[in-house]
Amino acid sequence: KNEVEQSPQNLTAQEGEFITINCSYSVGISALHWLQQHPGGGIVSLFMLSSGKKKHGRLIATINIQEKHSSLHITASHPRDSAVYICAVYTGNQFYFGTGTSLTVIP
Amino acid sequence: DTGVSQNPRHKITKRGQNVTFRCDPISEHNRLYWYRQTLGQGPEFLTYFQNEAQLEKSRLLSDRFSAERPKGSFSTLEIQRTEQGDSAMYLCASSLGVGTQYFGPGTRLTVL
Repeated sequence: KNEVEQSPQNLTAQEGEFITINCSYSVGISALHWLQQHPGGGIVSLFMLSSGKKKHGRLIATINIQEKHSSLHITASHPRDSAVYICAVYTGNQFYFGTGTSLTVIP
Repeated sequence: DTGVSQNPRHKITKRGQNVTFRCDPISEHNRLYWYRQTLGQGPEFLTYFQNEAQLEKSRLLSDRFSAERPKGSFSTLEIQRTEQGDSAMYLCASSLGVGTQYFGPGTRLTVL
């Protein structure tokens, strides 16, 4: 049983498509993070949020605390968005990570 | 250099040997985190420091693992009597308080 579940595990999209990655968690949290990891590369933090919605460029992250659910949206997807997207939650003293969603955007 | 750095980037060792990794956080960051990531999996939390105090340790961190941050700046992670199951990418991140974490490039450990 994982504290953080992501879906889908793998996602292939055509360039320009709108993409949604989902994250559900089972623990009480003080913050949720969305991370991006390129193959062979390091991890970059995209968003940290505890309520509502945040937007950065073509990326939008939302969270519903009552439903224990968050979504990461990518508008007008581009091949350079191809990466693994990881959801992580912070309970106040521990971090739990999802196994990631591998996104491939085809030109 | 404004990023998180980790050394070495790669380490190959024989089973039973001890290894030590170093992480240099962003200088003004008071929190430092260690994670482990195996192939195809998300990172797993190991431990974190606020300044020099180790505030939390995961149950994944066996007695063979120890981490220090003696002066509240850089941190070391030591693994004693390495096992093949310790092979993974060891990631370090730092943050200012509970803010955004910035990750280092990781140290890839291979235990033969």
